[in-house]
Amino acid sequence: ETGVTQSPTHLIKTRGQQVTLRCSSQSGHNTVSWYQQALGQGPQFIFQYYREEENGRGNFPPRFSGLQFPNYSSELNVNALELDDSALYLCASSTAGRLAEAFFGQGTRLTVV
Amino acid sequence: AQSVTQLDSQVPVFEEAPVELRCNYSSSVSVYLFWYVQYPNQGLQLLLKYLSGSTLVKGINGFEAEFNKSQTSFHLRKPSVHISDTAEYFCAVSAVMIYNQGGKLIFGQGTELSVKP
Repeated sequence: ETGVTQSPTHLIKTRGQQVTLRCSSQSGHNTVSWYQQALGQGPQFIFQYYREEENGRGNFPPRFSGLQFPNYSSELNVNALELDDSALYLCASSTAGRLAEAFFGQGTRLTVV
Repeated sequence: AQSVTQLDSQVPVFEEAPVELRCNYSSSVSVYLFWYVQYPNQGLQLLLKYLSGSTLVKGINGFEAEFNKSQTSFHLRKPSVHISDTAEYFCAVSAVMIYNQGGKLIFGQGTELSVKP
C-alpha cells in the first residue's frame, strides 16, 4: 500500500455535469500529478502541482483544472463532462528532487453517461 | 519530447516459462526508465526503475530489466512466471531535469501478460 488515497473510488455522471476528484498524497510528499487512463490505454499526464502551483500540464483542455492545498492534498475538477472523459483517473504523489519516484493511488473510475 | 512503444499488446505464456516484455523509447534528452504493473481495478505499482549506473536493474517479484542506450530499449524479463503475474505491464519514461519532475511520466500503451497453467 502506497499511502496515496483517492476518493471516490467510482462515480457516474451525466454529460455536461461537473465533477471533483480528490487525492491525499503520501506523508512527506509535496508534489501531486494527475493522469487519465482510458480503457485499454496507458495513463496520460494531465497536470502536476508542486507547492500549490501548477507545475506542468499535458494536452488537456482548460475544462480540466486542479488545486493543491497547504497539506499537499489535491483536487481534479472537470467541467462540462463529455462521454470521452470516462476513464480511470490516477493520482500520483512524489517528493521534490531529481530522483523522485511517483507513488500511485488506486484511482477513481469515472463513467459519463 | 519523449515517447514509449511497447511492442506487444498481449503476451500469453505458460506457467514457469520465461517471459520478455519489450519496450522501446524515444527522447532527445536523458531519461529515467520505469516498469509498472497494474492488476485489475487497481492503481499502478512500481516494479523497477533505471536512474543511472548498472544497466541491469532488478525489481520486485523476480523481475529484471536491461537498459540498452544504443537500442533505446528497456525490456522486462522474468525467468519463470507464475499465475499471479497475470496483469497489465506499463513501461514509462521521465526526462532527467534539474527540478522536481518525478511525477511527469510518459507511458506506453501497456502489455497484457496472461499466464496459463
